[in-house]
Amino acid sequence: GDSVTQMEGPVTLSEEAFLTINCTYTATGYPSLFWYVQYPGEGLQLLLKATKADDKGSNKGFEATYRKETTSFHLEKGSVQVSDSAVYFCALSIRATGNQFYFGTGTSLTVIP
Amino acid sequence: ETGVTQTPRHLVMGMTNKKSLKCEQHLGHNAMYWYKQSAKKPLELMFVYNFKEQTENNSVPSRFSPECPNSSHLFLHLHTLQPEDSALYLCASSQDQGGEQYFGPGTRLTVT
Repeated sequence: GDSVTQMEGPVTLSEEAFLTINCTYTATGYPSLFWYVQYPGEGLQLLLKATKADDKGSNKGFEATYRKETTSFHLEKGSVQVSDSAVYFCALSIRATGNQFYFGTGTSLTVIP
Repeated sequence: ETGVTQTPRHLVMGMTNKKSLKCEQHLGHNAMYWYKQSAKKPLELMFVYNFKEQTENNSVPSRFSPECPNSSHLFLHLHTLQPEDSALYLCASSQDQGGEQYFGPGTRLTVT
């Protein structure tokens, strides 16, 4: 069935390091793909999205490219900050099969000064 | 108020109590969701409402009872909960079912 798989955490990086969080998906039809971020004590916030193959979503220095050939939507940031410490969730939306929305398990990121 | 709001933000209740969680969205969306988020577990979808009609119930115990009186409001009625029900309960909405979701800040529930 439709699903999202993202890399296990936790991830710990030093400030200004390069970040990659891997996300791959399995889907029937043509999904839209999302990254959400959850800061401590808060709900999930939409970080970026891409609705078709080769689209690149970007926001706050984060980027992810919808790669249909590898069924991936990896999250990247060139230089992380302490304030980026949060849990990141990959998600997909399928409209062809009853309008379903699937979340990955989340990847915890801690950035140390 | 804008976005999705949830009240209360924190709730402590005994196993014999009855309480309700409230969610309100000011986005004009037609679909609303309840999720349970427990420590070290994936996000669990509990209920989905689309145009006030329940479209999904993911085998949630009957001690959780949702109510959606209109497209802007969603409640989760709680009674005779168990300690393992302690979690963060998140409400979300989307323009239509399957669309990108907007989340509230959550209610941190502790069952004693």
